[in-house]
Amino acid sequence: SAVISQKPSRDICQRGTSLTIQCQVDSQVTMMFWYRQQPGQSLTLIATANQGSEATYESGFVIDKFPISRPNLTFSTLTVSNMSPEDSSIYLCSVGRQGRGDREQYFGPGTRLTVT
Amino acid sequence: SQQGEEDPQALSIQEGENATMNCSYKTSINNLQWYRQNSGRGLVHLILIRSNEREKHSGRLRVTLDTSKKSSSLLITASRAADTASYFCATDASQNSGYSTLTFGKGTMLLVSP
Repeated sequence: SAVISQKPSRDICQRGTSLTIQCQVDSQVTMMFWYRQQPGQSLTLIATANQGSEATYESGFVIDKFPISRPNLTFSTLTVSNMSPEDSSIYLCSVGRQGRGDREQYFGPGTRLTVT
Repeated sequence: SQQGEEDPQALSIQEGENATMNCSYKTSINNLQWYRQNSGRGLVHLILIRSNEREKHSGRLRVTLDTSKKSSSLLITASRAADTASYFCATDASQNSGYSTLTFGKGTMLLVSP
């Protein structure tokens, strides 16, 4: 398993501003994932972040709105840009094991974002 | 599109009772996983069942998988108040051996009353 921390744990931001969320893992991992969980909803994958390459975004998510950095194998950031109230969600990072076989994911505690 | 659909959306039981949650999905999968989320926090992986398995146990958890019906169930026996959480199924349908991407269902909110 992996131990994952996220900063901040929660924040209240004004519309039009940006917030950068940090995700730190206690071991080196190849793949990191960023999810959004809107109030009362399930998790939706935003993007997959691979160290040393551009993040791969899912349909409906774009780099200009959610830029991602992955400077090394233990750290990643997600920025929520030009925020609006619709961006109020929990943002979670996760890591997964690479390769064949069972591939569960391990999640950070999440960042609860409220945009006013 | 959402792969997994859980039912019920919400379930309220008394301590000691069993809780059963169901999940349906649409496409072929490599495996199906169940996660628990306490009060809007991070998800905890509970159990993974491969597409060639039909049943799996882990402590008080029992998971079944029926690939012909594209459905799975999670049974929690002898429930406790601490089991109160949201439970999500997630399917791994990735086509390559590099890494998996998971598609999550909408979740079942379980409330266990003392």
